[in-house]
Amino acid sequence: EVQLVESGGGLVQPGGSLRLSCEASRFTFSSYWMSWVRQAPGKGLEWVANIKQDGSERHYVDSVRGRFTISRDNAKNSLYLQMNSLRVEDTAVYYCARRGLRGSGWYFDLWGRGTLVSVSS
Amino acid sequence: SYVLTQPPSVSVAPGQTARITCGGNNIGSKSVYWYQQKPGQAPVVVIYYDSDRPSGIPERFSGSNSGNTATLIISRVEAGDEADYYCQVWDSSNDHVVFGGGTKLTV
Repeated sequence: EVQLVESGGGLVQPGGSLRLSCEASRFTFSSYWMSWVRQAPGKGLEWVANIKQDGSERHYVDSVRGRFTISRDNAKNSLYLQMNSLRVEDTAVYYCARRGLRGSGWYFDLWGRGTLVSVSS
Repeated sequence: SYVLTQPPSVSVAPGQTARITCGGNNIGSKSVYWYQQKPGQAPVVVIYYDSDRPSGIPERFSGSNSGNTATLIISRVEAGDEADYYCQVWDSSNDHVVFGGGTKLTV
């Protein structure tokens, strides 16, 4: 089955660090832009970061730039999000998502089930 | 940065038509995508490129986009359509993905 599976979430204190992983299965991972999207409890979706197929291009939402780093290992079919200097407002379910290939637009055609990150003292 | 505005909630009776709007400055010049998210689940794209349906999405789902408003239209609404719906665009000015705040559809 084509799928994305996130891991690495948990409880961390403010100022701490966490590394999320996303493992892709049953598709050619290296052919796709990949993203992280988060959802705070009871809130809407917020895009966090994108990374190009070969890792040569990355983009971040302003609120995480300088604190979070998106990366990938195509040999391991894996996407990562290194999160440093975590804040209470970073508490959310973090989804790994695949950019769709149809046309030149930007949309997500495959999502993982998410991993919960809780930042609290 | 580009902002998308959705009504927090829309209520519709079964069998009727639901219209969920997404407002943005000259949004008609962008491609709009719509996602359905049910409680405890990941989002699923139901409309892409303003009005196209991915395979597996019922014909009851359609979309339009013009001027400053994009609209998701759900015809013959069923109880199973009750969910949160999000619009999304690509902001080419800064290479950012932008989501609307979401609309809770109550049937």
